[in-house]
Amino acid sequence: EVQLVESGGGLVQPGGSLRLSCAASGFTFSSYWMSWVRQAPGKGLEWVANIKQDGSEKYYVDSVKGRFTISRDNAKNSLYLQMNSLRAEDTAVYYCAREGRVAVAGTGIYWYFDLWGRGTLVTVSS
Amino acid sequence: DIQMTQSPSSLSASVGDRVTITCRASQSISSYLNWYQQKPGKAPKLLIYAASSLQSGVPSRFSGSGSGTDFTLTISSLQPEDFATYYCQQSYSTPSFGPGTKVDIK
Repeated sequence: EVQLVESGGGLVQPGGSLRLSCAASGFTFSSYWMSWVRQAPGKGLEWVANIKQDGSEKYYVDSVKGRFTISRDNAKNSLYLQMNSLRAEDTAVYYCAREGRVAVAGTGIYWYFDLWGRGTLVTVSS
Repeated sequence: DIQMTQSPSSLSASVGDRVTITCRASQSISSYLNWYQQKPGKAPKLLIYAASSLQSGVPSRFSGSGSGTDFTLTISSLQPEDFATYYCQQSYSTPSFGPGTKVDIK
């Protein structure tokens, strides 16, 4: 079955750290860009970070730069998010998402989040 | 950064209604626009990519249109399982989502 399963969420105090994991199965993990997307309680979706197939390129939303690190282990079909210096505003459900891409001749490469995990809740509170 | 807006923020509709949701980008994004459906407690689901391409397995009552800065998602005949929140997302640059449109039962 094609799926993504997140783990590692929980309650952490402000200033603390947490490492999220995402286990991929049913597809060739090493062929895809991967992202983390979060959703604060009752709020909308926010892209957090993504990583290229070989880990050579990584990008982050401004609000987490210098605090979060995305990484992957293709041998283990796993994606990670190391979160340091956590703040109350980082409280959210964190989703792992696969980036599908399609090339259209003469137009460009379109990409989208075509596979999502169920998410893991991170609560930052004292 | 590209800002995305959606209208309306919520709407009430009946089964069988035609529903249209609008998404606007703060600058031109060509056709780099995707639509997602999210039900309470569930992960988002891709409906439309590249503004008008239907994702595999998504019912044909869903359609998307637009380019540049203005886009629409249309549900031609609303079904009970379509009551959810819908988000647009641009992939022209650093990805960003619209605030969502909640579709509930009238």
